[in-house]
Amino acid sequence: GAVVSQHPSRVICKSGTSVKIECRSLDFQATTMFWYRQFPKQSLMLMATSNEGSKATYEQGVEKDKFLINHASLTLSTLTVTSAHPEDSSFYICSARDPGQGPYEQYFGPGTRLTVT
Amino acid sequence: GQNIDQPTEMTATEGAIVQINCTYQTSGFNGLFWYQQHAGEAPTFLSYNVLDGLEEKGRFSSFLSRSKGYSYLLLKELQMKDSASYLCAVTNSNYQLIWGAGTKLIIKP
Repeated sequence: GAVVSQHPSRVICKSGTSVKIECRSLDFQATTMFWYRQFPKQSLMLMATSNEGSKATYEQGVEKDKFLINHASLTLSTLTVTSAHPEDSSFYICSARDPGQGPYEQYFGPGTRLTVT
Repeated sequence: GQNIDQPTEMTATEGAIVQINCTYQTSGFNGLFWYQQHAGEAPTFLSYNVLDGLEEKGRFSSFLSRSKGYSYLLLKELQMKDSASYLCAVTNSNYQLIWGAGTKLIIKP
């Protein structure tokens, strides 16, 4: 199956700093990638849909200026958490659609555990 | 609104069979997914149903009834490694994936 990687897997940062998370599709080209956030014992919450070459579409309640998304190529999308605060501590997961595998299935990266101190 | 309901937690015995139910109400329907998620890890794909009926894949089977807005995931010959959360998700008419809160399955020896 299609493989999606994320880097870093874990990151600890101080309040007020910015953190960049990378999401890569390793063996396919992903025109669409998705960014999710998951708090403990809760389900996945879609933050935004990232489209290669265009602006990301953010879900209601997600601050565009705080969570910067850049989908610069068909294999890479980045999420930058700017001016991070302890309440941003969460598990961030990206996923990507492989057009060659069907229109609806999403392949998930392994996730990034962000802790803001 | 759109919502997906599944039980919060279930307990079963190693070697037994368990059925996890999912009901949904979404704006349109373009398929239903089941994912498995172990604690601290990303979800992994289990099954996809778009037509009514039963899809069998080894120890796991998934059933869909579109008229009833209902699906279930059936796990047979339960193993300890099956202890995980099972997420039901539906693709709506806008191709958005709507997620359920997940069912935590606890397997006891």
